[in-house]
Amino acid sequence: NAGVTQTPKFRVLKTGQSMTLLCAQDMNHEYMYWYRQDPGMGLRLIHYSVGEGTTAKGEVPDGYNVSRLKKQNFLLGLESAAPSQTSVYFCASRRQLSNTGELFFGEGSRLTVL
Amino acid sequence: AQSVTQLDSHVSVSEGTPVLLRCNYSSSYSPSLFWYVQHPNKGLQLLLKYTSAATLVKGINGFEAEFKKSETSFHLTKPSAHMSDAAEYFCVVTASGTYKYIFGTGTRLKVLA
Repeated sequence: NAGVTQTPKFRVLKTGQSMTLLCAQDMNHEYMYWYRQDPGMGLRLIHYSVGEGTTAKGEVPDGYNVSRLKKQNFLLGLESAAPSQTSVYFCASRRQLSNTGELFFGEGSRLTVL
Repeated sequence: AQSVTQLDSHVSVSEGTPVLLRCNYSSSYSPSLFWYVQHPNKGLQLLLKYTSAATLVKGINGFEAEFKKSETSFHLTKPSAHMSDAAEYFCVVTASGTYKYIFGTGTRLKVLA
């Protein structure tokens, strides 16, 4: 049981380049999230999805886009990377909102934008 | 509205001594509260959760936390620290019926030999 898997784990980009981070979960979870983690700031929500084909903005969505074409996958895209997007990105998932449950996290994707 | 405050950004303890990591929360609704641990270059792993059942919650690796509504606190404790406990710990609050999880800014625990 793999849980939540993120690819790639590391990436270095130049300013203006684009890239996509992939999150895959095998737990049949409805909800999926993308967070960024920066020193001293905890985790901040970028975008989230409550089901296949639906996405919504979190607290820091600017400069990012997402898609959830399949229930098990949640993609985070950077169209034109900026140094301010240097961060560690975490994907998380959880069961449907009927019972408040814990988030399951991937191991993170470390992105550096030069 | 919900918020969470971790009162210490860094805590140092000696191996074998008790650990106390403090967390205060604010929530307009009945909250669910979690503690996660993050070891270096790893994802977040659930230590324990409170979801309106017993107020004293036991988690993995000997950790426990007590939900105190009157004090709006959910402090994490362990009777005896181990070197492997050195990590960053996050307190998280959410509420039933919402998608939103609010993370504290983290407490880095250092365990001295």
